[in-house]
Amino acid sequence: AQTVTQSQPEMSVQEAETVTLSCTYDTSENNYYLFWYKQPPSRQMILVIRQEAYKQQNATENRFSVNFQKAAKSFSLKISDSQRGDTAMYFCAFMIPFGNEKLTFGTGTRLTIIP
Amino acid sequence: DGGITQSPKYLFRKEGQNVTLSCEQNLNHDAMYWYRQDPGQGLRLIYYSQIVNDFQKGDIAEGYSVSREKKESFPLTVTSAQKNPTAFYLCASSRTGWGYGYTFGSGTRLTVV
Repeated sequence: AQTVTQSQPEMSVQEAETVTLSCTYDTSENNYYLFWYKQPPSRQMILVIRQEAYKQQNATENRFSVNFQKAAKSFSLKISDSQRGDTAMYFCAFMIPFGNEKLTFGTGTRLTIIP
Repeated sequence: DGGITQSPKYLFRKEGQNVTLSCEQNLNHDAMYWYRQDPGQGLRLIYYSQIVNDFQKGDIAEGYSVSREKKESFPLTVTSAQKNPTAFYLCASSRTGWGYGYTFGSGTRLTVV
């Protein structure tokens, strides 16, 4: 079974600073996908970024980027120039494609951006 | 606009009652999922369905039931056998095959009174 671990339950950072959220996972599969989801106070789950394991290039989406280290099974999220709207729970998730395609989630990191 | 709709937003259940949470999508997605969210535990999979008239148990299916009679709809029934049903429930849908991310509904908060 796959597991996803987020070891930082809470983090806070000053507005405009950069913050990195950690995620590690455990799998024996070689082909998989990794995701970061954001859940703001509205509780709507929003896809932030997606990484394909067979691609060595790290995914980026505007201020959001990942550091994907396949051998170390690490998938951290970096938020640059943090904004108040980034205040949310962030969940790391893992999926094996072409099967049941279940998303396995970590327990989340609560991020607070301080004005 | 395409999306996924959950209703109601808030639901109250008396002890011993069954309640049904609605989930409808107009994204033409094949797969649909139900997750339960509790504080400090992330999201846990209850049931999922990848095709009409077929569904599979997830990690915490006990006390829940589902149906998938239409592609667009995947209702979840919380039965009286679920001993601790108070939680936030999220429905999601996705295309299948290439690791597409899920589209989530806005959730239903269920409280036992």
